[in-house]
Amino acid sequence: EIVLTQSPGTLSLSPGERATLSCRASQTVSSSYLAWYQQKPGQAPRLLIYGASSRATGIADRFSGSGSGTDFTLTISGLEPEDFAVYYCQQYGGSPWTFGQGTKVEIK
Amino acid sequence: EVQLVESGGGLVQPGRSLRLSCAASGFNFDNSAMHWVRQVPGKGLEWVSGISAGSSDTPYADSVKGRFIISRDNAKNSLYLQMNSLRVEDTALYYCVRRSGPFDYWGQGTLVTVSS
Repeated sequence: EIVLTQSPGTLSLSPGERATLSCRASQTVSSSYLAWYQQKPGQAPRLLIYGASSRATGIADRFSGSGSGTDFTLTISGLEPEDFAVYYCQQYGGSPWTFGQGTKVEIK
Repeated sequence: EVQLVESGGGLVQPGRSLRLSCAASGFNFDNSAMHWVRQVPGKGLEWVSGISAGSSDTPYADSVKGRFIISRDNAKNSLYLQMNSLRVEDTALYYCVRRSGPFDYWGQGTLVTVSS
């Protein structure tokens, strides 16, 4: 099983600032089958990034993903008020599909 | 528009059974792999089980293996999760999810509470 560790647990930033979220895998994520999801309170998760760096349909270009192997990053280039949420990484290379524990991006 | 609508959640005693359903619309259900993901309120996401388009492949998380059974009815565009021998630790919001590679569409979830 691939264990994903996200850091930091909480990120306190102001609107307009840049957010950098990390996701580290316990073993290589094959073919960069790494996704990022955003979850707001009371809502289901929403796919943001797949294939480590491809934006899902309708996702703003301030969201970008990078990385390969075992180290991946989600960057939000300038935080908008609606971006304050919890973010999860996930590997979808095969069973068991696993998620990181989440990073909460909160308003400073 | 893709829609996934879960139902069947509720309060159940430990050791009892519950069957969740998910009604899908807006996409070719019979060509899509489907999954269940759960989330304890205020906690993270946990993958539970998945099923291939033709039902030939049905992996399970170790935490539910031998107790939960995933199935689908492509004629009814429906996904199911039969949950047996429920435990207090199965209490969570259960999401129905389409997988096209990543998990690209999620329902709003149905809450299962296991308590005496």
